[in-house]
Amino acid sequence: SAVISQKPSRDICQRGTSLTIQCQVDSQVTMMFWYRQQPGQSLTLIATANQGSEATYESGFVIDKFPISRPNLTFSTLTVSNMSPEDSSIYLCSATPQEGKAFFGQGTRLTVV
Amino acid sequence: AQRVTQPEKLLSVFKGAPVELKCNYSYSGSPELFWYVQYSRQRLQLLLRHISRESIKGFTADLNKGETSFHLKKPFAQEEDSAMYYCALDLLTGGGNKLTFGTGTQLKVEL
Repeated sequence: SAVISQKPSRDICQRGTSLTIQCQVDSQVTMMFWYRQQPGQSLTLIATANQGSEATYESGFVIDKFPISRPNLTFSTLTVSNMSPEDSSIYLCSATPQEGKAFFGQGTRLTVV
Repeated sequence: AQRVTQPEKLLSVFKGAPVELKCNYSYSGSPELFWYVQYSRQRLQLLLRHISRESIKGFTADLNKGETSFHLKKPFAQEEDSAMYYCALDLLTGGGNKLTFGTGTQLKVEL
């Protein structure tokens, strides 16, 4: 099965700072996805990271707050900018290297203090 | 708008008892539905998808378009089935896996 590596696995950050989360897939994929899981809640899609074009954001998420890079077919980053305590969540990346089977990273547990 | 509903936050059953985790969806297109599972301290992983019509770890799920449901079932629960289960709907055709998740059901299998 595919491997998706995500780092950091956890971090504690000061409010007002930014954190960049990296996601590496061990095979080439067309699309990668970023999700947020707030405490006690389900996963919510933030955006689709497309290689060679700008990311596509879901309602309620904007590029200034969550800039995404996708420099090649195996890698993506998500930055959480100007953080506040409300950004404390688990952030997950996902990709579908095999048709119909999405794999997930282990998640980044972010705490903003 | 697409939506996935899992009415139970927590489901507690005894070992050997049947399990049914409920999932209902609303979607105007042709749905592709999945069950994902997250065991304690592990990452989210695919359990099964409706187009495969397979049984994984004794679990099955049948898509009922009339009732817009995709309930997950297992005839005899095992202790190792204790985990968080998410029902998910794929918003992209062709297996892109842009997923809308339900709120999840925590399954606890007691001895």
